[in-house]
Amino acid sequence: GESVGLHLPTLSVQEGDNSIINCAYSNSASDYFIWYKQESGKGPQFIIDIRSNMDKRQGQRVTVLLNKTVKHLSLQIAATQPGDSAVYFCAEKAGFQKLVFGTGTRLLVSP
Amino acid sequence: DTEVTQTPKHLVMGMTNKKSLKCEQHMGHRAMYWYKQKAKKPPELMFVYSYEKLSINESVPSRFSPECPNSSLLNLHLHALQPEDSALYLCASSQEPGGFSYEQYFGPGTRLTVT
Repeated sequence: GESVGLHLPTLSVQEGDNSIINCAYSNSASDYFIWYKQESGKGPQFIIDIRSNMDKRQGQRVTVLLNKTVKHLSLQIAATQPGDSAVYFCAEKAGFQKLVFGTGTRLLVSP
Repeated sequence: DTEVTQTPKHLVMGMTNKKSLKCEQHMGHRAMYWYKQKAKKPPELMFVYSYEKLSINESVPSRFSPECPNSSLLNLHLHALQPEDSALYLCASSQEPGGFSYEQYFGPGTRLTVT
């Protein structure tokens, strides 16, 4: 994905709700995707990854869904907690050793 | 140890200064990366080292000079920077280049301000 604009899309949820963060990717040949979480003042932290031979992968409280037909990726966070507040980036493998990051979505969780 | 460390945390430098950013990992990873991240933007790849050799340079200006002295260390030498180079500089590492996992482990970054 390409970064556009100066404003991060923001998703505001209440604590305990389920959150869904979406990402569109551009390269139909991409075969690997990653979700990262970046808290303020920190580097990106790995959440979950998925390969293109899968449609769904689950982790602890998180699920990633991959729809290759429409080149769409989503991250679902169950029972969202205040500690989940951060910017979430999807990234796609764009060649040998190279990841390209999407624009990012800010998740705000209110108690 | 699953940590990537970066020093310094913050750096303020003038346009005529020379400074260096340092990155270290002890996970046995053989690929290391430098990214630049501007506010409210995603990280952008600058350089990749594989087995201590530069494998990717994303057309970065020569005022940024990377160095990989050994498999655990990565430096970024800075000289004659411009104010627009002010950003968060992130270091990352990953396992075997071209291996099964593409997961990159990131350090906390160095917040650079060029005055």
